[in-house]
Amino acid sequence: GDSVTQMEGPVTLSEEAFLTINCTYTATGYPSLFWYVQYPGEGLQLLLKATKADDKGSNKGFEATYRKETTSFHLEKGSVQVSDSAVYFCALSGKNTGNQFYFGTGTSLTVIP
Amino acid sequence: GAVVSQHPSWVICKSGTSVKIECRSLDFQATTMFWYRQFPKQSLMLMATSNEGSKATYEQGVEKDKFLINHASLTLSTLTVTSAHPEDSSFYICSAVDRLNQPQHFGDGTRLSIL
Repeated sequence: GDSVTQMEGPVTLSEEAFLTINCTYTATGYPSLFWYVQYPGEGLQLLLKATKADDKGSNKGFEATYRKETTSFHLEKGSVQVSDSAVYFCALSGKNTGNQFYFGTGTSLTVIP
Repeated sequence: GAVVSQHPSWVICKSGTSVKIECRSLDFQATTMFWYRQFPKQSLMLMATSNEGSKATYEQGVEKDKFLINHASLTLSTLTVTSAHPEDSSFYICSAVDRLNQPQHFGDGTRLSIL
C-alpha cells in the first residue's frame, strides 16, 4: 500500500545551518506530496506541497522537489532559525488513497542559537 | 486565518466521563472530515473518515462504539470519546476537505487527559 518513509530524528542544528530532512514514498498512481509542520502543543500547518513530478514546493525558505525517479520529496532549507524548531511531517495523498493522508513518522528539529 | 476550528483545545476529566470534540470548517463546506490520534512523539494515526450524512468509516483496530463520530452538517463533525479512560489520553486532530478535495485543512488539535 501507499506509505511514506521519513528520516528519523531528532535533528539538532545550529542557527544558520543547512537543513535536509529526507522523505521517500511508495504509492500507486501519482499522489500529491506535502510537508506539514507542527509546533509544540499545536496542530499541523501546511508548509508546502507539490502535486506532480518535478514540481517544487516552497514556503518560508523551505523547499522540496517532487522526484518521481527517486520517489523522494526531501525538505531543505539553506539557513535555519531558532523559530524553525518543530516537528516536520512528510505526507502523501491523492485520488488513489481516497484523499486520505499517509504521514511519515515525523522528524523533530531543534535549532540552537 | 484558521479555516478549521477544533474545540476544545484542552480537556482534563475524570475516568468514565464522555468527552465531545468538535471540528468545524469555517469558510467552506467540508464533505469529508478525518479524525486522527497522535501519541507523544509519534505520527498521526487515522482513526476514521467521516462523510456528511453517512456513517463514518473506521480504521482497523478503532472501536466505533468507543469513538462515536457524527457528521450531521457540511461544517461540523464531532468525535465523542465515550466512557474515557486514562489510555484514551492523547492528542486528537481533525481535518477537513471540500468538494474539490484539496487541500486538507487541519484543526489545531485537542489534548485530552483522563485522570
